Amino acid sequence: GESVGLHLPTLSVQEGDNSIINCAYSNSASDYFIWYKQESGKGPQFIIDIRSNMDKRQGQRVTVLLNKTVKHLSLQIAATQPGDSAVYFCADGGTSYGKLTFGQGTILTVHP
Amino acid sequence: SAVISQKPSRDICQRGTSLTIQCQVDSQVTMMFWYRQQPGQSLTLIATANQGSEATYESGFVIDKFPISRPNLTFSTLTVSNMSPEDSSIYLCSVKGTDTQYFGPGTRLTVL
Repeated sequence: GESVGLHLPTLSVQEGDNSIINCAYSNSASDYFIWYKQESGKGPQFIIDIRSNMDKRQGQRVTVLLNKTVKHLSLQIAATQPGDSAVYFCADGGTSYGKLTFGQGTILTVHP
Repeated sequence: SAVISQKPSRDICQRGTSLTIQCQVDSQVTMMFWYRQQPGQSLTLIATANQGSEATYESGFVIDKFPISRPNLTFSTLTVSNMSPEDSSIYLCSVKGTDTQYFGPGTRLTVL
């Protein structure tokens, strides 16, 4: 079946460093991907998305890279701040928009 | 973006009982979904809540256990029936907005 997985379950960084969170997906037909941030006790919060016709998209301090050849995407957070500490999930939107397949999640801890 | 609220935010229930979770959106949306997040894990889609017709369930989830209603384009309910401790999870409502997919704050359910 389809699956989405993360290479690193935990990531600890110092404040001001850049963070990179990786994700692999299995459905080569997928055309939409989303990164979410989930803080303790809250629902997933949208960070950034990307469609398969792009290989890079930038937001405020965040960049998502998509490599369709190896079915891999990554989330880069620039100048990481303590407020960025959370669990980050990648989600594969497949081709049926709305039915998301989530990765395991990466716990990002930012030390002051 | 869509603003989603859920009630209750959390509950502690006895095994064998049922709990109905409500999801309210601040605008009309075509697609609503229910996800489950078991402790320390990622999100899994339970079903798509269809307005005016029966919900569409994912593999491993059945209507008798998780009946869903969707009376209009802004509201849905999920009932967790005949609960057991294994049903202790966060239950999340999600909607497809005009640009991407959003999540509610979740309902944290503990079954004793």
